[in-house]
Amino acid sequence: AQTVTQSQPEMSVQEAETVTLSCTYDTSESDYYLFWYKQPPSRQMILVIRQEAYKQQNATENRFSVNFQKAAKSFSLKISDSQLGDAAMYFCAYRRNYGGSQGNLIFGKGTKLSVKP
Amino acid sequence: EAGVTQSPTHLIKTRGQQATLRCSPISGHTSVYWYQQALGLGLQFLLWYDEGEERNRGNFPPRFSGRQFPNYSSELNVNALELEDSALYLCASSPWGTAHGSNYGYTFGSGTRLTVV
Repeated sequence: AQTVTQSQPEMSVQEAETVTLSCTYDTSESDYYLFWYKQPPSRQMILVIRQEAYKQQNATENRFSVNFQKAAKSFSLKISDSQLGDAAMYFCAYRRNYGGSQGNLIFGKGTKLSVKP
Repeated sequence: EAGVTQSPTHLIKTRGQQATLRCSPISGHTSVYWYQQALGLGLQFLLWYDEGEERNRGNFPPRFSGRQFPNYSSELNVNALELEDSALYLCASSPWGTAHGSNYGYTFGSGTRLTVV
């Protein structure tokens, strides 16, 4: 069974600084997708960034980037120039390739990020 | 475009009772996913429905069940409620296929907070 582990229950960063959230996963599949979701106090899950396992290039979305190490099964999220609005729970998620269907996500337990002004 | 809607927002039940939670997906989305978010445990996958059929099930007892209706809406039923069932229940929907978009096809609702007393 696939599992996703986030080893940092809480992290803190100073506004405008950079922070890295860790995620490791376990799978025997070779084709899969990885995601980082943000959950603010409103409870709405928001997609931050995604990575296809077959792509070697690390995904980037504005201030957000990932370090995808497929052999090590590691998928960390780097947030640059942190803003107060980045404060939230961050969840790492895995999804195997179901072919034509999206399929369910497997989530880690999350990392609570605080941003200090 | 209306998002994923869940009802009720809050639900209080007594141990041993049954709870029914409802989810209406994004128009055009055929898949519905249910997740349980208990404190400190992240999002745990419960059920995935697509085209009216159960496609996958997480590691939960049979008293967690559900169904998907012809209009693709879904309900989650929890029988013989236990105190440990108290959690936020999130529903998400996605279209068929590996659709690309701002959220890679997954849209989450804001959840139903179930409290068992």
